[in-house]
Amino acid sequence: GAGVSQTPSNKVTEKGKYVELRCDPISGHTALYWYRQSLGQGPEFLIYFQGTGAADDSGLPNDRFFAVRPEGSVSTLKIQRTERGDSAMYLCASSLMANTEAFFGQGTRLTVV
Amino acid sequence: DQQVKQNSPSLSVQEGRISILNCDYTNSMFDYFLWYKKYPAEGPTFLISISSIKDKNEDGRFTVFLNKSAKHLSLHIVPSQPGDSAVYFCAASGGGTSYGKLTFGQGTILTVHP
Repeated sequence: GAGVSQTPSNKVTEKGKYVELRCDPISGHTALYWYRQSLGQGPEFLIYFQGTGAADDSGLPNDRFFAVRPEGSVSTLKIQRTERGDSAMYLCASSLMANTEAFFGQGTRLTVV
Repeated sequence: DQQVKQNSPSLSVQEGRISILNCDYTNSMFDYFLWYKKYPAEGPTFLISISSIKDKNEDGRFTVFLNKSAKHLSLHIVPSQPGDSAVYFCAASGGGTSYGKLTFGQGTILTVHP
């Protein structure tokens, strides 16, 4: 597709459940980023992939959060044992290379009830 | 700590006038700055950027100014249009890391009245 695609657009889950959020980056983009945005705040960095490897995962809040990008394209953000505090907009972005601007998807709104 | 701050939560401007959005940062390692615009239910859209080796970058109606000594940048929109109404985020990166690893401000809601 032309832009970064994230699915689902909305996800409601019960506390304690496991969720997966998917990101399809722009074709050919080698760098991929995950961000989390809480209401009234700017996006906060979670993790950055260069190709298949996580180049920087310093923003992941705890070990319940994990992300993969096995073939260097699609990425999945995985959250185990979800908590109500995980409720937020999860944004994915990609860039052609590490030193070029990142383009964002429309986000997945996660609600933990 | 908030390394990138946008101290004005909102700004209201008349159509045709200038909009000035401000941003302050504290981390002297930041060397690349960007502005993103965000409409409801959409992801942020890249607007304009500036490297720390410059003090001004212009793109059509949008100009970004960087004052490194004051650790301050601003976005000027001239003339403002109702379609510019959105949330504007200032973001910064640097210290040898990827330009996509960004530290964002809290955002400023711009409303342009017809």
